[in-house]
Amino acid sequence: GQSLEQPSEVTAVEGAIVQINCTYQTSGFYGLSWYQQHDGGAPTFLSYNALDGLEETGRFSSFLSRSDSYGYLLLQELQMKDSASYFCAVRGGSQGNLIFGKGTKLSVKP
Amino acid sequence: NAGVTQTPKFQVLKTGQSMTLQCAQDMNHNSMYWYRQDPGMGLRLIYYSASEGTTDKGEVPNGYNVSRLNKREFSLRLESAAPSQTSVYFCASRSGKGALNEQFFGPGTRLTVL
Repeated sequence: GQSLEQPSEVTAVEGAIVQINCTYQTSGFYGLSWYQQHDGGAPTFLSYNALDGLEETGRFSSFLSRSDSYGYLLLQELQMKDSASYFCAVRGGSQGNLIFGKGTKLSVKP
Repeated sequence: NAGVTQTPKFQVLKTGQSMTLQCAQDMNHNSMYWYRQDPGMGLRLIYYSASEGTTDKGEVPNGYNVSRLNKREFSLRLESAAPSQTSVYFCASRSGKGALNEQFFGPGTRLTVL
C-alpha cells in the first residue's frame, strides 16, 4: 500500500523557522508535493520535488531524499498568515494522481 | 480566469437522495480529479480523469460515479447518499504538461447527509 506520515500539529512563534517532515511508502514514486490549506479554504500548491535536493521559493523551501523516502517543508520568517494545515502528497503514477498525508496543522503565535 | 469552479457550495441531503456535484475549469487542463476531505484526514481521491473521454477509480470510489462531460467539466454523482458520505468535496485540475505536477483546486462543496 501507500502511506505518508507527517506530524499532526506544530506550534511556532512569529519570525521563527519551522520544519515539517514527511516520510512516505509507495509502490511507485514520481515526486513529492506540498500543499497549504487555510481553515475553510481550498488546498493551494506550494512546491514539488521530483529529484533529491532542496527547492527554494521565497520563504518556503522543500527537500527530498528518495533513498530515505523522506522530505520536509521549511518555512522561514514565520508570519501569522502562515497558520494553516500543510499536506505532503506523493505522486504515485504517471497520470499525476496524488496520495495525501493527513496534514500538519501549523499554529503561529505572536 | 475563474480557475476551478464548483457548484453547489453547500448541500444537505437525506439518506437515499441523489445529487450531482458540478466542476468546471477554464485553464484548458487535461486532467481532473475529485477528492473528499474528512476532519483530521488528508484528501482522498475518489475518481480522476486523465484526459477527456477517460475516467478511473481512485482510493475511495464506492458509492460514486463520475462523468467527464467535455474537457472543461467533470461531475460527481451520488446515486443514493449515505451519512458516511458527509464530507467536503474538492475538484481539482492539472495541466498534464511539464514537470511541475501542480493541481489547482476548486473552493469545495460541503455536503451533509442526514
